[in-house]
Amino acid sequence: AQSVTQPDIHITVSEGASLELRCNYSYGATPYLFWYVQSPGQGLQLLLKYFSGDTLVQGIKGFEAEFKRSQSSFNLRKPSVHWSDAAEYFCAVVRLTGGGNKLTFGTGTQLKVEL
Amino acid sequence: DSGVTQTPKHLITATGQRVTLRCSPRSGDLSVYWYQQSLDQGLQFLIQYYNGEERAKGNILERFSAQQFPDLHSELNLSSLELGDSALYFCASSGGAGANTEAFFGQGTRLTVV
Repeated sequence: AQSVTQPDIHITVSEGASLELRCNYSYGATPYLFWYVQSPGQGLQLLLKYFSGDTLVQGIKGFEAEFKRSQSSFNLRKPSVHWSDAAEYFCAVVRLTGGGNKLTFGTGTQLKVEL
Repeated sequence: DSGVTQTPKHLITATGQRVTLRCSPRSGDLSVYWYQQSLDQGLQFLIQYYNGEERAKGNILERFSAQQFPDLHSELNLSSLELGDSALYFCASSGGAGANTEAFFGQGTRLTVV
């Protein structure tokens, strides 16, 4: 079955430091992959998506992610973290099901930013 | 602002009761999805509608039902509520029904069952 694994439950980085959040997927075909961010008490905001083509995708708020088929990974990166980036981050893969689709989410990574 | 509107934002109700959560999708979006977020289960897909028709179903309990109306808004009905139904319920919408379509999420409805 299709699944997404986020191995890090919590990550703490200093403001200005670089960030990498890990995501591994299990999917038989070429996956459609997403990263979402959830701030406390807020909904999920789409950061970026990968459907096909260039394996390095750029998103909003200075985030990028690289699709690596050989490693079944889609890690999220940011060169310099800001305090406002503190939030929970979810990796997700779309699964076709019948005539529709659904997102399968990872368990999330809680990011804490130290000033 | 994603353009997806959910009401109410908060709901407190007693066990055994029935509630209705409402979702208005982004203008022009035909697909509506419902997700449940809880501490023990994480984010779980419940159901998808596309232009009024059910298209995909997840692990949605029989006590839960949903529909999408001709104006494309959707309602999620939860009945015979149990303490374990307390969760954040998200609605999302997208333009299409296929896989290469991005979903935009509302702010959620926080349901507390007491």
